[in-house]
Amino acid sequence: AQSVTQLDSHVSVSEGTPVLLRCNYSSSYSPSLFWYVQHPNKGLQLLLKYTSAATLVKGINGFEAEFKKSETSFHLTKPSAHMSDAAEYFCVVSDNQGAQKLVFGQGTRLTINP
Amino acid sequence: DTGVSQNPRHKITKRGQNVTFRCDPISEHNRLYWYRQTLGQGPEFLTYFQNEAQLEKSRLLSDRFSAERPKGSFSTLEIQRTEQGDSAMYLCASSFTGYGYTFGSGTRLTVV
Repeated sequence: AQSVTQLDSHVSVSEGTPVLLRCNYSSSYSPSLFWYVQHPNKGLQLLLKYTSAATLVKGINGFEAEFKKSETSFHLTKPSAHMSDAAEYFCVVSDNQGAQKLVFGQGTRLTINP
Repeated sequence: DTGVSQNPRHKITKRGQNVTFRCDPISEHNRLYWYRQTLGQGPEFLTYFQNEAQLEKSRLLSDRFSAERPKGSFSTLEIQRTEQGDSAMYLCASSFTGYGYTFGSGTRLTVV
């Protein structure tokens, strides 16, 4: 069985400062890992994905994440926060088996202070 | 618009009524998924189709829930005898053989 734990339910940073959203995962298989963003009243948008290639994954809007197998972590970072980054972020794992369904974490709400 | 379309966007219904939601996937995608997202939680898998075949259902999908995907095109999710606990956002997603999920904007159900 797979699971995802997002270590912070809410993160607040100032505009222009770095962002760190933490995620630990558990998987019986070699997983695929994703970060999705959800803006209010909008659909889920894929930020980036890891599928066993490079461990440092670059995504859209300046976000990146590093896969660390030894720590079972997949933290999301951005060097400089922008007001438009305020949203809910989900760390997601897929087992690459059968249905390839996605298992979501509970989400981290990112607030950007001016 | 070539994305995943869900209708209606919002649905308010009285407890005990039946509701049906529709999802139109990206046309070349052979897989279609339904997820449910309750307030403050991440989405949870409900069921998925490969073409017209429903291949997996979550234990979350009680007997009051039924999903169909006739002819492997659009899908419907019906909830019978709605309960207040069914209030949630119902998300549809499609993909081609498990790659490149695209999510719709969801149908928000409120049971009063």
